[in-house]
Amino acid sequence: DTGVSQNPRHKITKRGQNVTFRCDPISEHNRLYWYRQTLGQGPEFLTYFQNEAQLEKSRLLSDRFSAERPKGSFSTLEIQRTEQGDSAMYLCASSFHREENIQYFGAGTRLSVL
Amino acid sequence: AQRVTQPEKLLSVFKGAPVELKCNYSYSGSPELFWYVQYSRQRLQLLLRHISRESIKGFTADLNKGETSFHLKKPFAQEEDSAMYYCALSPYGNNRLAFGKGNQVVVIP
Repeated sequence: DTGVSQNPRHKITKRGQNVTFRCDPISEHNRLYWYRQTLGQGPEFLTYFQNEAQLEKSRLLSDRFSAERPKGSFSTLEIQRTEQGDSAMYLCASSFHREENIQYFGAGTRLSVL
Repeated sequence: AQRVTQPEKLLSVFKGAPVELKCNYSYSGSPELFWYVQYSRQRLQLLLRHISRESIKGFTADLNKGETSFHLKKPFAQEEDSAMYYCALSPYGNNRLAFGKGNQVVVIP
């Protein structure tokens, strides 16, 4: 599968624990996006990278959230001190600069905070 | 701020009947509009975008700037069209997508 890969697919954690998700974009895609989707809602934008630079962050991304893309390839999204309200599907997408705005999505990581 | 509204949560249609999914948006600038689709057990994927002006799987959507709408239409629904459909907007020159809440389409054989 050469699409966007996200790991893990599911994560169950206790409130207060830290979690980290990984996203591997499609090869040669220089743009990478993180979205969050809760039940009954569409995906909500969290943050966006062009290569290794984080160019935009949503107000949804509280200071407990941090995203990195150190070498401009894979990205990680960390949530510290998880809360029950963090339970959601976390989606990653990537795009190629010559196909701006055609975003290819991963299958997502479903987080459940108990 | 941009906002996308999809008023109907669930739409059931018979096979062969027309389908129309409504999408209205609010944005002060020139947006780019998209329809994304998610079939059962599959990931979210692009269906069509307004600048392409093409028909994909029999679906079309026309951007109406006066009514700020981007409704999705198909004249004859097929069973394989059963899916979740999301309308999305991207501000001009920006890459983030703002999604509506989605429409669940069920095509009855």
